[in-house]
Amino acid sequence: GAVVSQHPSRVICKSGTSVKIECRSLDFQATTMFWYRQFPKQSLMLMATSNEGSKATYEQGVEKDKFLINHASLTLSTLTVTSAHPEDSSFYICSARLGGVREKLFFGSGTQLSVL
Amino acid sequence: TQLLEQSPQFLSIQEGENLTVYCNSSSVFSSLQWYRQEPGEGPVLLVTVVTGGEVKKLKRLTFQFGDARKDSSLHITAAQPGDTGLYLCAGGWSGNTGKLIFGQGTTLQVKP
Repeated sequence: GAVVSQHPSRVICKSGTSVKIECRSLDFQATTMFWYRQFPKQSLMLMATSNEGSKATYEQGVEKDKFLINHASLTLSTLTVTSAHPEDSSFYICSARLGGVREKLFFGSGTQLSVL
Repeated sequence: TQLLEQSPQFLSIQEGENLTVYCNSSSVFSSLQWYRQEPGEGPVLLVTVVTGGEVKKLKRLTFQFGDARKDSSLHITAAQPGDTGLYLCAGGWSGNTGKLIFGQGTTLQVKP
């Protein structure tokens, strides 16, 4: 089946630094990828839709200057958390859309971000 | 606004028991998906249902899409400890570039 690789799986950083998370579709091209945030034992909250070659679409309440998204190729989207603060600590997950009659989303394995 | 109401949110049962998780909405979806997620990992797709009234079976798991495509259920027969995890329903609309709305999730614990 289709595979989505997310890296890194875990990152610890100091407050004020920026962190980049990569999401790659390994065996298919994804014109659309999605970024989610998840708190412990809670559901996924959609942050933004990443579109290859164009600007990302952010959900209401998500700061676009805080969470920079770049989808420079059909297999790679990146999420950069700028000037991270402890409240940004969370589990971040990406997904990539595989189109078709019964289109599917394939999820990365997530990135646990801890900001000290 | 939570468009998908998932219940129950927590469920702890003994091995061998049956259970049902519900996902309800006032919105009509083109498709509804069920995922299972382990701690520290991304969700894994279990099934996609697209037709009103559709029933799909995956071993001991039975998924149903409501006739009006507003609700869905997941029934597990003879639950096993390996079924423990977070179960998520997610609704989507055709022509919406794959964007999904997730339910709150159901944390299932199956005790041996």
